Amino acid sequence: DQQVKQNSPSLSVQEGRISILNCDYTNSMFDYFLWYKKYPAEGPTFLISISSIKDKNEDGRFTVFLNKSAKHLSLHIVPSQPGDSAVYFCAASAVGSWGKFQFGAGTQVVVTP
Amino acid sequence: DVKVTQSSRYLVKRTGEKVFLECVQDMDHENMFWYRQDPGLGLRLIYFSYDVKMKEKGDIPEGYSVSREKKERFSLILESASTNQTSMYLCATISPRSGRYNEQFFGPGTRLTVL
Repeated sequence: DQQVKQNSPSLSVQEGRISILNCDYTNSMFDYFLWYKKYPAEGPTFLISISSIKDKNEDGRFTVFLNKSAKHLSLHIVPSQPGDSAVYFCAASAVGSWGKFQFGAGTQVVVTP
Repeated sequence: DVKVTQSSRYLVKRTGEKVFLECVQDMDHENMFWYRQDPGLGLRLIYFSYDVKMKEKGDIPEGYSVSREKKERFSLILESASTNQTSMYLCATISPRSGRYNEQFFGPGTRLTVL
């Protein structure tokens, strides 16, 4: 049973607009969340993270929001650029099992000119 | 920068063959992981290791084994390859000593095709 879910397998967005990627989780012990970006034939690269003591973390064009009561997090990319076209994975780590992550199924983002 | 390398980028094997995938990291990280990535399923943990000669099963260990004889090297073994093991295999590392809030570093992946 998947504990981390990304229900949108794909997202198409115009260059310059906002991309919003969503992630839901079921395990209330998760307290650290990450987003990874993956290009074809490459390994995932870390993008941004958030711990459960925060509800927002920002890094340049990327912002992650965490709603603990809803067990939901989202990644905002503003403005979207063609180089952002990739698969984005949400991952979560539980207290006591840090170092080990559960990953979502991924969302394929396509940024069109 | 952490460097995680995997022995092959692309590999083609036949059903029933024994397959070795190797992962090497250069940052003295304690924990190493093997995942497979399949469309619609994301990354699924096969095995992980938190020390030399230590290993633990992940979510989908069936048909796989691992070996960690040296800290920097973690091998994934497919005892008898089957077509349903065709996948992208990813190795990752993390150092618990770097703190609780830390990310995994991934290798470039091995695309394995079993015919």
